[in-house]
Amino acid sequence: DGGITQSPKYLFRKEGQNVTLSCEQNLNHDAMYWYRQDPGQGLRLIYYSQIVNDFQKGDIAEGYSVSREKKESFPLTVTSAQKNPTAFYLCASSIVSGDTGELFFGEGSRLTVL
Amino acid sequence: GENVEQHPSTLSVQEGDSAVIKCTYSDSASNYFPWYKQELGKRPQLIIDIRSNVGEKKDQRIAVTLNKTAKHFSLHITETQPEDSAVYFCAAPGDSSYKLIFGSGTRLLVRP
Repeated sequence: DGGITQSPKYLFRKEGQNVTLSCEQNLNHDAMYWYRQDPGQGLRLIYYSQIVNDFQKGDIAEGYSVSREKKESFPLTVTSAQKNPTAFYLCASSIVSGDTGELFFGEGSRLTVL
Repeated sequence: GENVEQHPSTLSVQEGDSAVIKCTYSDSASNYFPWYKQELGKRPQLIIDIRSNVGEKKDQRIAVTLNKTAKHFSLHITETQPEDSAVYFCAAPGDSSYKLIFGSGTRLLVRP
């Protein structure tokens, strides 16, 4: 069953702690993305990666870090430097074919900072 | 960089009526315009997209129109049904063709 899997679905964090959100895909997609969703603000791009071992900052990368050591995996770390980390985080993937195409999203991870 | 504005932020229609959501973009080089639907508690899913070489695309009750001169595109839903109730997002490519910039979303409510 092909798809994109995020974990955990819900996560609680104390202030000052780093947390890592997992994103795995078995769609053989080259590109992967992390978006943040806040009420009334749509989806904002945090980081994206077109190929293994390469990634670029999106519009709101401050306080976040990523790695792309494997094609299937694109974990996101929310660091203590992120001022307002409570949000819904969505991972996505797409085929890289020289043209923009459909994004396939995971079910999301909801992070709450206590 | 690319900026995508979406209106309205909320839209309430009677079942059977039509709904129209509009988006404007800033980068005249943009050539791909998708629409995503996100039902409550679920992931966004692509419902229709259009590329800049056409002005309109239809798929059953939904259609998207594109006006490249005015740099805006719209989603049209006809004969709305309660299951159309969701948040709809438009998007356009940013400074990389692999980087999509999303609008702020429209919450559509279809009243039975």
